[in-house]
Amino acid sequence: SYVVTQPPSVSVAPGQTATITCAGNNIGGRSVHWYRQKPGQAPVLLIFYGSGRPSGIPERFSGSNSENTATLSISRVEAGDEADYYCQVWDSNSDHVFGTGTKVTVL
Amino acid sequence: QVQLVQSGAEVREPGSSVKVSCKASGGTFSTYALGWLRQAPGQGLEWMGRIIPMIGIENYAQKFQGRVTFSVDKSTGTAYMELRSLKSGDTAMYYCARQEGDEGWFDPWGQGTLVTVSS
Repeated sequence: SYVVTQPPSVSVAPGQTATITCAGNNIGGRSVHWYRQKPGQAPVLLIFYGSGRPSGIPERFSGSNSENTATLSISRVEAGDEADYYCQVWDSNSDHVFGTGTKVTVL
Repeated sequence: QVQLVQSGAEVREPGSSVKVSCKASGGTFSTYALGWLRQAPGQGLEWMGRIIPMIGIENYAQKFQGRVTFSVDKSTGTAYMELRSLKSGDTAMYYCARQEGDEGWFDPWGQGTLVTVSS
């Protein structure tokens, strides 16, 4: 089965850039989507197809994808960005696969 | 944009079944697919399968084959997920979400339904 791995946690100071990775075999050839989940809330789509942003999502959120790592970047981090972040890919053998999740802490 | 509103929390005993509903508020399901996902306490997200409400096509993740059924009442714009033979490991928040195509993303999501399996 296809596995994607994220770092359990990322800490970042306000105003800096948070970088969250999603590692998987040849993930650069797949469609990667990103979600934010705040405590007690449902996930919210942040990025689709690697770098697309739904309406209402600030430009501070951006995505990229190459070789074996997809990346979500959050620039000018704010206290309200504290949340869990998940990547998602589709695999023909494993269906929809979600990453293990990364907890972002704003220092 | 359509909103998805799910039914309230449920408590079930092991071996029983649960049926969770998901209603499209402000419209119908139109032609898109509806995915069902779950998240155990403190854990990540898991895809259970999807249904295309307008034509009734269902696909189930292998892990849940034979134990879960998706259905739709088109007259009320409500989708259902029934999970049978419940175990303590099925305790989780269950979500419905619009699924973009077979390989795409999930947006928007319902607010979630907590199912607790306990004797």
